[in-house]
Amino acid sequence: DQQVKQNSPSLSVQEGRISILNCDYTNSMFDYFLWYKKYPAEGPTFLISISSIKDKNEDGRFTVFLNKSAKHLSLHIVPSQPGDSAVYFCAASARGSNSRLTFGEGTQLTVNP
Amino acid sequence: DAGITQSPRHKVTETGTPVTLRCHQTENHRYMYWYRQDPGHGLRLIHYSYGVKDTDKGEVSDGYSVSRSKTEDFLLTLESATSSQTSVYFCAISEIGDGYTFGSGTRLTVV
Repeated sequence: DQQVKQNSPSLSVQEGRISILNCDYTNSMFDYFLWYKKYPAEGPTFLISISSIKDKNEDGRFTVFLNKSAKHLSLHIVPSQPGDSAVYFCAASARGSNSRLTFGEGTQLTVNP
Repeated sequence: DAGITQSPRHKVTETGTPVTLRCHQTENHRYMYWYRQDPGHGLRLIHYSYGVKDTDKGEVSDGYSVSRSKTEDFLLTLESATSSQTSVYFCAISEIGDGYTFGSGTRLTVV
C-alpha cells in the first residue's frame, strides 16, 4: 500500500522555467510533509517542509503547496537551474509516529541549459 | 554530512553469505533508520531504532536484522544475502519533530 505517491518518474524543463513536482498521499493522519533532494552517489538532503496547519511555505526559489482536501502537495522551483537536476522525494509523517517518514518513489528532474 | 557515516560505501558479496552494514553518528540523535532505495520504489524503511536496544520493523524487514548496542551505532545485518537484496542502503538519524539527516549510502551487490 503506497501511502505516498509520486506519479511522475521524470520531469524535464528548460533553464529559467518553472518546475512543478507533484505528490499525493492517502493517509489522512499525515500532518507533516517534506521534500528531499538527491544527487547521484549521495544521500538525500532536506529541501523544504510544510506543516498541515499551512497551505504554503516558501524558501527562496522553492515553494511547497499543500492541498489537504485533495491530499496533494506540490513543489515549485522557479526559476529552475541546471544544478537543480536531481531526484526529488516527497515524504510525510504523522504525529505520534515518532517522526517516522514515509517516502514516495521519487521524481528525476532534469533542467536543460 | 560528517555527523553520520556509513561503512562500507560499496560491497560485493556472494549469495548466501552474511553481510553487516554499519551506521555511525556523532549527533547523539535518538532515532536511527535503515532504508533501501530501488528504482520505482523510492526509499523503503527496513528497520528503525528509537533508542539503545529498542528497535522495530519497517515495511521491508524480511531477511534483515538490526542491532543498536550504543547510541551512536546502528548495524544492519543480512543473515544470508540474496540477489533481491542488491540495492543502495541509506542510514538516517533524527530527533522528534525534525526531518532526517541521511548518510551517503552503501551500494550492495549480491552475486
